[in-house]
Amino acid sequence: NAGVMQNPRHLVRRRGQEARLRCSPMKGHSHVYWYRQLPEEGLKFMVYLQKENIIDESGMPKERFSAEFPKEGPSILRIQQVVRGDSAAYFCASSPRVPTYEQYFGPGTRLTVT
Amino acid sequence: QQQVKQSPQSLIVQKGGISIINCAYENTAFDYFPWYQQFPGKGPALLIAIRPDVSEKKEGRFTISFNKSAKQFSLHIMDSQPGDSATYFCAATEDNFNKFYFGSGTKLNVKP
Repeated sequence: NAGVMQNPRHLVRRRGQEARLRCSPMKGHSHVYWYRQLPEEGLKFMVYLQKENIIDESGMPKERFSAEFPKEGPSILRIQQVVRGDSAAYFCASSPRVPTYEQYFGPGTRLTVT
Repeated sequence: QQQVKQSPQSLIVQKGGISIINCAYENTAFDYFPWYQQFPGKGPALLIAIRPDVSEKKEGRFTISFNKSAKQFSLHIMDSQPGDSATYFCAATEDNFNKFYFGSGTKLNVKP
């Protein structure tokens, strides 16, 4: 059973460009969380999605950031018009159908904005 | 406002010693408290978790102690090994699991 997949692992964008981060949950998991981690800091919750639904997006900046988890395909975190402050590691985690405290994290996408 | 406060920020322990990491919270609605281990360049991995109705939970060399009245919980790593060197995060969530709050992390270095 493959783990949580994230791609790309590293992404470099110039200021003003768009960044698209993908997360494929573990097989059978229908809940996805996105987190942001700045260097030497803990993870900050961004958004919680179930298939085709956003359940909690209270951690997501109101502008430029959006997330989706379609019926088919990976979950996408989209950052429009990136700024230097968006440089961070972005992790997704998946949970089984019945939400539990068990989250399985992917390896992360390291976004660098130049 | 940080929902979960973690200390120390870094910790150096000799091989065979006990590593102790502490966390505190304010929100009494929190119902689950997981701990994660993260190696450089990797995602966090779940280690062990506890609910407030349990005062202690042990899995191998890892033990969580929970003090509900003080709203504090801690991770003890017994017989610490160099392979335990990693960053450890405590976390908390309410029973709807909609949102997880993480501590700021403790970087553990176990000296051989």
